Amino acid sequence: DAGVIQSPRHEVTEMGQEVTLRCKPISGHDYLFWYRQTMMRGLELLIYFNNNVPIDDSGMPEDRFSAKMPNASFSTLKIQPSEPRDSAVYFCASSKGARETQYFGPGTRLLVL
Amino acid sequence: GDSVTQMEGPVTLSEEAFLTINCTYTATGYPSLFWYVQYPGEGLQLLLKATKADDKGSNKGFEATYRKETTSFHLEKGSVQVSDSAVYFCALVKGTSYGKLTFGQGTILTVHP
Repeated sequence: DAGVIQSPRHEVTEMGQEVTLRCKPISGHDYLFWYRQTMMRGLELLIYFNNNVPIDDSGMPEDRFSAKMPNASFSTLKIQPSEPRDSAVYFCASSKGARETQYFGPGTRLLVL
Repeated sequence: GDSVTQMEGPVTLSEEAFLTINCTYTATGYPSLFWYVQYPGEGLQLLLKATKADDKGSNKGFEATYRKETTSFHLEKGSVQVSDSAVYFCALVKGTSYGKLTFGQGTILTVHP
């Protein structure tokens, strides 16, 4: 299996621009998670889905952030408009079952200038 | 709410030294416990896990035992290598939390030759 795939791996954009991060979970996994990692705040869960349905989005920092999962093999995290404080590494993870191991993608390093 | 507390880092050791990274948790019910490792520039990957009290997880020479009486899941390795240098995260998940992992803050380990 190819593992969790994320794109792009690196993104540099200017403040105010729209940013879209993409994730392909492992085939057969029914949970998908979006995390953000920064030096100051550590690893934060933003939102997660079960069978393509958002279960908990309480970690989404504000309305500028949105996430979708139109099908079992694809999810997006969108930031519009982006701000410098959104600079972080964004990870996608998937698992087969609620208590099972989460498999992380390599992350997208986002820099907002 | 649920929480995970790891020992403060960073931890610096010489090669072949003994490693302990403490992890304690607060949670109701019977969580599953995990140690994840993050190598520089990469996503998190599962190191080991335990799903019930007194279970011992082990992998790559690392071990951790699920101690319900002390609510702990300390990570140990008898002889560390330079290649073990990474950030280590303790985490828990409960069946009732629909897969929402609660992470500790992470412990940076540096091993010198």
